Amino acid sequence: DVKVTQSSRYLVKRTGEKVFLECVQDMDHENMFWYRQDPGLGLRLIYFSYDVKMKEKGDIPEGYSVSREKKERFSLILESASTNQTSMYLCASSPGLAGTYEQYFGPGTRLTVT
Amino acid sequence: SQKIEQNSEALNIQEGKTATLTCNYTNYSPAYLQWYRQDPGRGPVFLLLIRENEKEKRKERLKVTFDTTLKQSLFHITASQPADSATYLCALAYSGGGADGLTFGKGTHLIIQP
Repeated sequence: DVKVTQSSRYLVKRTGEKVFLECVQDMDHENMFWYRQDPGLGLRLIYFSYDVKMKEKGDIPEGYSVSREKKERFSLILESASTNQTSMYLCASSPGLAGTYEQYFGPGTRLTVT
Repeated sequence: SQKIEQNSEALNIQEGKTATLTCNYTNYSPAYLQWYRQDPGRGPVFLLLIRENEKEKRKERLKVTFDTTLKQSLFHITASQPADSATYLCALAYSGGGADGLTFGKGTHLIIQP
Protein backbone atom coordinates (compact mmCIF):
# COMPACT_ATOMS: atom_id res chain seq x y z
CA ASP A 1 0.00 0.00 0.00
CA VAL A 2 1.11 3.53 -0.74
CA LYS A 3 1.94 5.40 2.37
CA VAL A 4 2.13 9.15 2.76
CA THR A 5 3.20 10.33 6.17
CA GLN A 6 3.23 13.80 7.64
CA SER A 7 5.52 14.83 10.47
CA SER A 8 2.84 15.99 12.91
CA ARG A 9 -0.90 15.49 13.35
CA TYR A 10 -1.28 18.61 15.47
CA LEU A 11 0.94 21.67 15.71
CA VAL A 12 0.61 24.93 17.63
CA LYS A 13 2.87 27.83 16.67
CA ARG A 14 3.10 31.51 17.48
CA THR A 15 2.63 34.35 15.03
CA GLY A 16 5.87 35.17 13.27
CA GLU A 17 7.48 31.76 13.76
CA LYS A 18 8.97 29.86 10.83
CA VAL A 19 7.10 26.57 10.47
CA PHE A 20 8.18 23.42 8.65
CA LEU A 21 5.70 20.73 7.64
CA GLU A 22 7.27 17.54 6.35
CA CYS A 23 5.77 14.95 4.05
CA VAL A 24 7.26 11.60 3.01
CA GLN A 25 5.92 9.07 0.51
CA ASP A 26 7.25 5.56 0.08
CA MET A 27 6.12 4.68 -3.46
CA ASP A 28 8.62 6.51 -5.65
CA HIS A 29 5.94 8.90 -6.95
CA GLU A 30 6.97 11.70 -9.27
CA ASN A 31 4.41 14.25 -8.17
CA MET A 32 3.78 15.66 -4.73
CA PHE A 33 1.31 18.28 -3.57
CA TRP A 34 0.51 20.50 -0.60
CA TYR A 35 -3.10 21.56 0.05
CA ARG A 36 -4.85 23.37 2.81
CA GLN A 37 -8.44 22.60 3.76
CA ASP A 38 -10.75 25.07 5.47
CA PRO A 39 -14.46 24.78 6.29
CA GLY A 40 -16.56 26.17 3.45
CA LEU A 41 -13.55 26.57 1.15
CA GLY A 42 -12.61 22.98 0.44
CA LEU A 43 -9.19 21.78 -0.63
CA ARG A 44 -6.96 24.43 -2.13
CA LEU A 45 -3.63 23.75 -3.79
CA ILE A 46 -0.67 25.65 -2.33
CA TYR A 47 2.31 24.20 -4.22
CA PHE A 48 3.18 21.09 -6.15
CA SER A 49 6.33 19.42 -7.41
CA TYR A 50 6.72 17.11 -10.39
CA ASP A 51 10.37 16.26 -9.82
CA VAL A 52 13.22 16.72 -7.39
CA LYS A 53 14.12 20.40 -6.99
CA MET A 54 11.18 21.36 -9.21
CA LYS A 55 8.20 23.28 -7.82
CA GLU A 56 5.22 25.11 -9.15
CA LYS A 57 2.80 27.50 -7.49
CA GLY A 58 -0.75 26.38 -6.95
CA ASP A 59 -3.77 28.58 -6.32
CA ILE A 60 -2.71 30.10 -2.99
CA PRO A 61 1.11 30.18 -2.67
CA GLU A 62 1.40 33.50 -0.85
CA GLY A 63 3.10 33.17 2.53
CA TYR A 64 4.40 29.68 1.75
CA SER A 65 7.45 28.11 0.17
CA VAL A 66 8.40 24.49 -0.50
CA SER A 67 11.46 22.32 -0.78
CA ARG A 68 12.00 19.01 -2.55
CA GLU A 69 15.58 17.87 -2.18
CA LYS A 70 14.76 14.15 -2.40
CA LYS A 71 12.10 12.41 -4.42
CA GLU A 72 10.30 10.99 -1.40
CA ARG A 73 10.20 14.17 0.68
CA PHE A 74 8.27 17.40 0.13
CA SER A 75 8.39 20.14 2.74
CA LEU A 76 6.06 23.08 3.18
CA ILE A 77 7.49 26.16 4.87
CA LEU A 78 5.55 28.99 6.43
CA GLU A 79 8.13 31.78 6.41
CA SER A 80 6.40 33.84 9.09
CA ALA A 81 3.29 32.18 10.43
CA SER A 82 0.14 34.24 10.69
CA THR A 83 -3.23 33.48 12.28
CA ASN A 84 -4.90 33.21 8.86
CA GLN A 85 -2.66 30.22 8.18
CA THR A 86 -4.44 28.23 10.87
CA SER A 87 -5.77 25.31 8.86
CA MET A 88 -5.60 21.60 8.07
CA TYR A 89 -2.63 20.93 5.79
CA LEU A 90 -2.71 17.88 3.56
CA CYS A 91 0.13 16.41 1.55
CA ALA A 92 -0.49 14.11 -1.41
CA SER A 93 1.52 12.19 -3.97
CA SER A 94 0.70 10.79 -7.39
CA PRO A 95 2.56 8.44 -9.73
CA GLY A 96 1.84 10.55 -12.80
CA LEU A 97 -0.18 13.38 -14.21
CA ALA A 98 -2.70 14.54 -11.63
CA GLY A 99 -5.77 13.96 -13.72
CA THR A 100 -4.96 10.54 -15.03
CA TYR A 101 -3.81 9.08 -11.73
CA GLU A 102 -5.27 9.15 -8.27
CA GLN A 103 -3.70 11.15 -5.49
CA TYR A 104 -2.69 9.52 -2.24
CA PHE A 105 -3.13 11.74 0.78
CA GLY A 106 -1.40 11.84 4.12
CA PRO A 107 -3.37 12.05 7.39
CA GLY A 108 -3.04 15.83 7.58
CA THR A 109 -1.51 18.30 10.01
CA ARG A 110 -3.84 20.55 11.92
CA LEU A 111 -1.88 23.75 12.44
CA THR A 112 -2.99 26.41 14.88
CA VAL A 113 -1.21 29.77 14.83
CA THR A 114 -1.81 31.86 17.94
CA SER B 1 -14.77 31.75 -13.60
CA GLN B 2 -14.44 28.00 -13.21
CA LYS B 3 -16.69 26.45 -10.65
CA ILE B 4 -17.35 23.02 -9.17
CA GLU B 5 -20.56 22.61 -7.19
CA GLN B 6 -21.47 19.86 -4.81
CA ASN B 7 -24.41 19.83 -2.43
CA SER B 8 -23.36 21.87 0.55
CA GLU B 9 -26.23 20.47 2.58
CA ALA B 10 -25.79 17.11 4.27
CA LEU B 11 -27.52 14.23 2.52
CA ASN B 12 -29.45 11.87 4.80
CA ILE B 13 -30.21 8.42 3.39
CA GLN B 14 -31.77 5.40 5.02
CA GLU B 15 -29.62 2.30 5.25
CA GLY B 16 -30.10 -0.06 2.32
CA LYS B 17 -31.18 2.68 -0.11
CA THR B 18 -29.12 4.11 -2.93
CA ALA B 19 -27.32 7.36 -2.17
CA THR B 20 -26.81 9.68 -5.15
CA LEU B 21 -24.39 12.60 -4.95
CA THR B 22 -24.08 15.30 -7.58
CA CYS B 23 -21.08 17.19 -8.93
CA ASN B 24 -21.81 20.03 -11.34
CA TYR B 25 -19.21 22.16 -13.04
CA THR B 26 -19.17 25.31 -15.15
CA ASN B 27 -16.55 26.88 -17.40
CA TYR B 28 -14.59 23.65 -17.47
CA SER B 29 -13.83 21.08 -20.10
CA PRO B 30 -12.44 18.36 -17.87
CA ALA B 31 -10.96 15.26 -19.35
CA TYR B 32 -10.96 13.33 -16.08
CA LEU B 33 -13.14 13.30 -13.03
CA GLN B 34 -12.31 11.63 -9.73
CA TRP B 35 -14.24 10.92 -6.55
CA TYR B 36 -12.72 10.76 -3.07
CA ARG B 37 -14.02 9.87 0.37
CA GLN B 38 -12.94 11.82 3.42
CA ASP B 39 -13.59 10.88 7.03
CA PRO B 40 -13.40 13.51 9.81
CA GLY B 41 -9.82 14.47 10.66
CA ARG B 42 -8.34 12.34 7.88
CA GLY B 43 -7.00 12.81 4.38
CA PRO B 44 -9.18 12.03 1.34
CA VAL B 45 -9.08 8.51 -0.07
CA PHE B 46 -9.40 7.87 -3.81
CA LEU B 47 -12.47 5.93 -4.94
CA LEU B 48 -13.00 6.14 -8.69
CA LEU B 49 -11.70 7.86 -11.81
CA ILE B 50 -13.73 8.34 -14.99
CA ARG B 51 -12.59 9.75 -18.32
CA GLU B 52 -14.56 12.09 -20.55
CA ASN B 53 -15.13 9.37 -23.13
CA GLU B 54 -16.56 7.00 -20.50
CA LYS B 55 -20.21 7.31 -19.59
CA GLU B 56 -20.13 5.12 -16.51
CA LYS B 57 -17.69 3.37 -14.17
CA ARG B 58 -18.43 0.82 -11.48
CA LYS B 59 -16.55 -0.56 -8.51
CA GLU B 60 -18.36 -2.90 -6.15
CA ARG B 61 -21.31 -0.89 -4.74
CA LEU B 62 -20.10 2.35 -6.31
CA LYS B 63 -21.10 3.78 -9.67
CA VAL B 64 -20.03 7.03 -11.30
CA THR B 65 -21.49 8.68 -14.39
CA PHE B 66 -19.97 11.53 -16.36
CA ASP B 67 -22.16 13.63 -18.66
CA THR B 68 -20.05 16.24 -20.47
CA THR B 69 -23.14 17.72 -22.12
CA LEU B 70 -24.90 18.36 -18.82
CA LYS B 71 -21.53 19.13 -17.17
CA GLN B 72 -22.39 16.78 -14.37
CA SER B 73 -21.18 13.68 -12.60
CA LEU B 74 -23.37 11.49 -10.41
CA PHE B 75 -21.91 9.25 -7.73
CA HIS B 76 -24.08 6.38 -6.52
CA ILE B 77 -23.66 4.10 -3.54
CA THR B 78 -26.06 1.17 -3.70
CA ALA B 79 -27.20 -0.81 -0.65
CA SER B 80 -25.84 1.97 1.53
CA GLN B 81 -24.51 1.22 5.01
CA PRO B 82 -23.84 3.45 8.05
CA ALA B 83 -20.11 2.88 7.39
CA ASP B 84 -20.55 4.79 4.11
CA SER B 85 -21.19 7.97 6.11
CA ALA B 86 -18.44 10.44 5.18
CA THR B 87 -17.77 13.50 3.05
CA TYR B 88 -17.41 12.79 -0.66
CA LEU B 89 -15.33 15.04 -2.89
CA CYS B 90 -15.31 15.29 -6.64
CA ALA B 91 -12.23 16.52 -8.46
CA LEU B 92 -11.73 17.56 -12.06
CA ALA B 93 -8.68 17.58 -14.31
CA TYR B 94 -8.11 19.15 -17.69
CA SER B 95 -7.23 17.34 -20.84
CA GLY B 96 -3.56 16.44 -20.69
CA GLY B 97 -3.63 16.50 -16.93
CA GLY B 98 -0.50 18.13 -15.74
CA ALA B 99 0.52 18.14 -12.13
CA ASP B 100 -1.64 21.15 -11.48
CA GLY B 101 -4.70 19.89 -13.28
CA LEU B 102 -6.78 18.57 -10.36
CA THR B 103 -9.32 20.88 -8.74
CA PHE B 104 -11.56 19.74 -5.89
CA GLY B 105 -15.15 20.54 -5.06
CA LYS B 106 -16.06 21.36 -1.47
CA GLY B 107 -17.66 17.99 -0.83
CA THR B 108 -21.02 16.59 0.21
CA HIS B 109 -21.52 15.18 3.69
CA LEU B 110 -23.41 11.88 3.45
CA ILE B 111 -25.15 10.40 6.48
CA ILE B 112 -26.53 6.87 6.27
CA GLN B 113 -29.06 6.30 9.00
CA PRO B 114 -29.66 2.80 10.37
